[in-house]
Amino acid sequence: EAQVTQNPRYLITVTGKKLTVTCSQNMNHEYMSWYRQDPGLGLRQIYYSMNVEVTDKGDVPEGYKVSRKEKRNFPLILESPSPNQTSLYFCASSLGAGGPSEQFFGPGTRLTVL
Amino acid sequence: TQLLEQSPQFLSIQEGENLTVYCNSSSVFSSLQWYRQEPGEGPVLLVTVVTGGEVKKLKRLTFQFGDARKDSSLHITAAQPGDTGLYLCAGGDSNYQLIWGAGTKLIIKP
Repeated sequence: EAQVTQNPRYLITVTGKKLTVTCSQNMNHEYMSWYRQDPGLGLRQIYYSMNVEVTDKGDVPEGYKVSRKEKRNFPLILESPSPNQTSLYFCASSLGAGGPSEQFFGPGTRLTVL
Repeated sequence: TQLLEQSPQFLSIQEGENLTVYCNSSSVFSSLQWYRQEPGEGPVLLVTVVTGGEVKKLKRLTFQFGDARKDSSLHITAAQPGDTGLYLCAGGDSNYQLIWGAGTKLIIKP
């Protein structure tokens, strides 16, 4: 089954404790991205990757890191999480960049930073 | 900065009614996508429109891309409880990036 998986689905942590959210896709997509979703603000792109070893900042990259060492994996790293990073996070993949390529989303990771 | 404004932000109607959701911008987009997101899940693509004036139908859902490719609408006929969800529009810009609207939360009451 074609899918994007994210782990963990739920995470409660404390300020400053490094964490990684994993993302993996099995569709051989070149383009992957991370979004955060906050009420009333919609989806905001954090980082995206056009291919292996190619990453770029989205609209809200501060406080986040990513890596793309393999085509299928695109982990999101929070080196020192802060409460303002409490949010719902989505990983997405697609054949090409942006529109009109269909974005395939993971199920989301709900992060709470205390 | 390109923006996509969706309206209304929230809509609660009875089963069987019709409704229209709008997605507007002052910028031109190369494509416009509509996604639906259900609680606890990621958004799922409903449709992509690429030509100004284009109309696409998906059962009871009708999608239209404005002639100038700056706006789009989603019309639902005879809404059903299964249509409940968050509807998101996303426009493709000249840099091949997606600009997202904030979403319309739709509740269909039985």
